[in-house]
Amino acid sequence: DAGVTQSPTHLIKTRGQQVTLRCSPKSGHDTVSWYQQALGQGPQFIFQYYEEEERQRGNFPDRFSGHQFPNYSSELNVNALLLGDSALYLCASSLGPWDEQTDTQYFGPGTRLTVL
Amino acid sequence: DAKTTQPNSMESNEEEPVHLPCNHSTISGTDYIHWYRQLPSQGPEYVIHGLTSNVNNRMASLAIAEDRKSSTLILHRATLRDAAVYYCILRDRGSTLGRLYFGRGTQLTVWP
Repeated sequence: DAGVTQSPTHLIKTRGQQVTLRCSPKSGHDTVSWYQQALGQGPQFIFQYYEEEERQRGNFPDRFSGHQFPNYSSELNVNALLLGDSALYLCASSLGPWDEQTDTQYFGPGTRLTVL
Repeated sequence: DAKTTQPNSMESNEEEPVHLPCNHSTISGTDYIHWYRQLPSQGPEYVIHGLTSNVNNRMASLAIAEDRKSSTLILHRATLRDAAVYYCILRDRGSTLGRLYFGRGTQLTVWP
């Protein structure tokens, strides 16, 4: 049973550029959440997608946007990159906003984004 | 947000028990206590969760104080693989919102 997968593993961009990160949820899951983790900090919630719509959003600017496809996979887009956007971007999946049976979210290994 | 307090770091020797504390003095009646851990270069993984009673699973035990203002994650025999950052998180079961609020967690070092 494949877990949550993310691509690419690492990415280097320059200030002002745009980036797209991809996530495939665990088999059978229909909800995807994105988190940003700066070095030495805990993950911070960006937004959550369910039924192809953004359902919740954390305190992130509009430069951060996303999309969920009919197969439940998701993309995170960041425009006009800033140095401060350098972080590990994590994707988490669940069955519904919360997994009703286990009440857990399953995280991928993340994409390490470096902005120069 | 997180509303939990954890020590920044703890150390243990291999094969010894580890008790990781968490204070959550403002916990509400509908808050579940969740623990996740993050191994180096990996995403967080679920460890255990509970409401009022102590809980056990194959990974760990969760001891919850009677007043629910604190809890302790217990690793019965630490292994080198248990070296990770451990996050204590309150989850409002009365909410349909699925976001998790992470603090900085406790960095656990396990010595051989």
